[in-house]
Amino acid sequence: DQQVKQNSPSLSVQEGRISILNCDYTNSMFDYFLWYKKYPAEGPTFLISISSIKDKNEDGRFTVFLNKSAKHLSLHIVPSQPGDSAVYFCAASAGAAGNKLTFGGGTRVLVKP
Amino acid sequence: DAGVIQSPRHEVTEMGQEVTLRCKPISGHDYLFWYRQTMMRGLELLIYFNNNVPIDDSGMPEDRFSAKMPNASFSTLKIQPSEPRDSAVYFCASSPLGRKKLFFGSGTQLSVL
Repeated sequence: DQQVKQNSPSLSVQEGRISILNCDYTNSMFDYFLWYKKYPAEGPTFLISISSIKDKNEDGRFTVFLNKSAKHLSLHIVPSQPGDSAVYFCAASAGAAGNKLTFGGGTRVLVKP
Repeated sequence: DAGVIQSPRHEVTEMGQEVTLRCKPISGHDYLFWYRQTMMRGLELLIYFNNNVPIDDSGMPEDRFSAKMPNASFSTLKIQPSEPRDSAVYFCASSPLGRKKLFFGSGTQLSVL
């Protein structure tokens, strides 16, 4: 039972354009969401997060949007750069579960020069 | 701080052998997590500890898997006996109390032949 789903396994985008990554969740107890970025042969690194009391959080070129009613969040990268080519994981946490994170399957992004 | 340190980086073993993966979390972090990454299941949580105490081991696939945290600076994940389907990348992560951001190690690439 996948509680966090990333339905697009891969995404290809031209440098300078917008990358939009999507994530859906089923557990209504989730109240904190994170995006991680992973390069080959490295561990995932934190990118950006959002609490359920917000619907948007922005950090430089990265913006995360949360739609609680639809149980959906998205990550926008604008403008996309070749160095953004990586696998992106969506993760969610429920307050009662402490620091435990449930991850989606990941989306591989390729930014073409 | 050096970050989360995992060893070995790569492990190749034969079916039936015992495998031990090691992790040193970031000093001062209260939580330690073991995740496994596979193509089919993405990043799945195996077990996590809070102050060296196992809190949730529901993700441990079978009795062949065991994890220990004898002190705040060291944890092991053991597979005995190993099977080819255990081949995956195993990540250790740690996080401080009150912050839901996990810091990952570089992972151990395990291949069971």
